[in-house]
Amino acid sequence: EAQVTQNPRYLITVTGKKLTVTCSQNMNHEYMSWYRQDPGLGLRQIYYSMNVEVTDKGDVPEGYKVSRKEKRNFPLILESPSPNQTSLYFCASSGTAEYEQYFGPGTRLTVT
Amino acid sequence: DAKTTQPPSMDCAEGRAANLPCNHSTISGNEYVYWYRQIHSQGPQYIIHGLKNNETNEMASLIITEDRKSSTLILPHATLRDTAVYYCIVRVVDNQGGKLIFGQGTELSVKP
Repeated sequence: EAQVTQNPRYLITVTGKKLTVTCSQNMNHEYMSWYRQDPGLGLRQIYYSMNVEVTDKGDVPEGYKVSRKEKRNFPLILESPSPNQTSLYFCASSGTAEYEQYFGPGTRLTVT
Repeated sequence: DAKTTQPPSMDCAEGRAANLPCNHSTISGNEYVYWYRQIHSQGPQYIIHGLKNNETNEMASLIITEDRKSSTLILPHATLRDTAVYYCIVRVVDNQGGKLIFGQGTELSVKP
């Protein structure tokens, strides 16, 4: 089944404790992206990747890092999480940037 | 900022057609109209997109006015499972990031 998977689905952590949210797609898509969703602010893009080893900042990249060493994986790294990064996170992928994006199920992160 | 305007909420009777309007009066000639939906904090789901011609797929139909300043998403026979927030997005289809700018969307409630 074609899909985008994220892990973990739920995470509660403390300020400053490094964490990684994984994202994987099995559709051989070139383009991958991370969004966060907050009440009243909608979905906002954090980082995106046009292909392996090619990443760029979206609208709200502060406090996040990404890497794209393999085509299928695009992990989101929070080196020192803070409470304002409490949010619902979605990973998405598409064949190329021009095509429709397929979203993962989401990761609900709480930073205390 | 989102370039679209949608009503915040709509109701529809089960089995009837749901017609969701979207205003995009500042749309440019190279911008497509995309529709996504999000069911209760799940990952957004692609529905359909178009440039100037009307489009239909297994999920829905998209009607775009001749001046392209507005469009309507039609779910021909709405079911309870179509209850979701529907997002209308205008987007340049190129290789510049592929970002989707989500507005507030229309919360569609399908009632028995």
